[in-house]
Amino acid sequence: GAGVSQSPSNKVTEKGKDVELRCDPISGHTALYWYRQSLGQGLEFLIYFQGNSAPDKSGLPSDRFSAERTGGSVSTLTIQRTQQEDSAVYLCASSLGTAPYGYTFGSGTRLTVV
Amino acid sequence: AQSVSQHNHHVILSEAASLELGCNYSYGGTVNLFWYVQYPGQHLQLLLKYFSGDPLVKGIKGFEAEFIKSKFSFNLRKPSVQWSDTAEYFCAVGPGNTPLVFGKGTRLSVIA
Repeated sequence: GAGVSQSPSNKVTEKGKDVELRCDPISGHTALYWYRQSLGQGLEFLIYFQGNSAPDKSGLPSDRFSAERTGGSVSTLTIQRTQQEDSAVYLCASSLGTAPYGYTFGSGTRLTVV
Repeated sequence: AQSVSQHNHHVILSEAASLELGCNYSYGGTVNLFWYVQYPGQHLQLLLKYFSGDPLVKGIKGFEAEFIKSKFSFNLRKPSVQWSDTAEYFCAVGPGNTPLVFGKGTRLSVIA
């Protein structure tokens, strides 16, 4: 597709359940990023994939969070045993490479943990 | 660790007023600087970027930003805002091959 595609657009889950969020980046973009956007908190970096290199997981807030990227394309962010503080918009972005390329963002997945 | 500060949480302007949104960062080395915009109900879009050269960069929709290295600043400006500029604006900084660090955003409301 022409843009970064994320699914689902909205997800409501019960506390303690696991969720999977999907990101389909722009074809040919080697870099893929996950950020979390909470109200009034800006964008919080979670994890970054670049080509075949090991991912930069330095932003993951706990071991309940994990992500993978298969075949250098689609990525899945998994949150296990969800907590209410996990409620946020999860954004995926891709770029042609590392800076100076800007990012193209998807529309995000709004996760609500009840 | 790098950090980005956007001083204004919410700015309210009348149409045709001039706009300046502040952005300061903490990082001592060479940086790449970005402004992104998020219109209501839409995804984040790149407004403009600076890597090197002329410190005054021009972006889409009449926006510009000036990089002042000595002040670690990259303020966003527009001489005359329109109602359609109502959005949230994010400053972002990246030293190179690491993920961008974003500020908390500034919400701009333009009233007729």
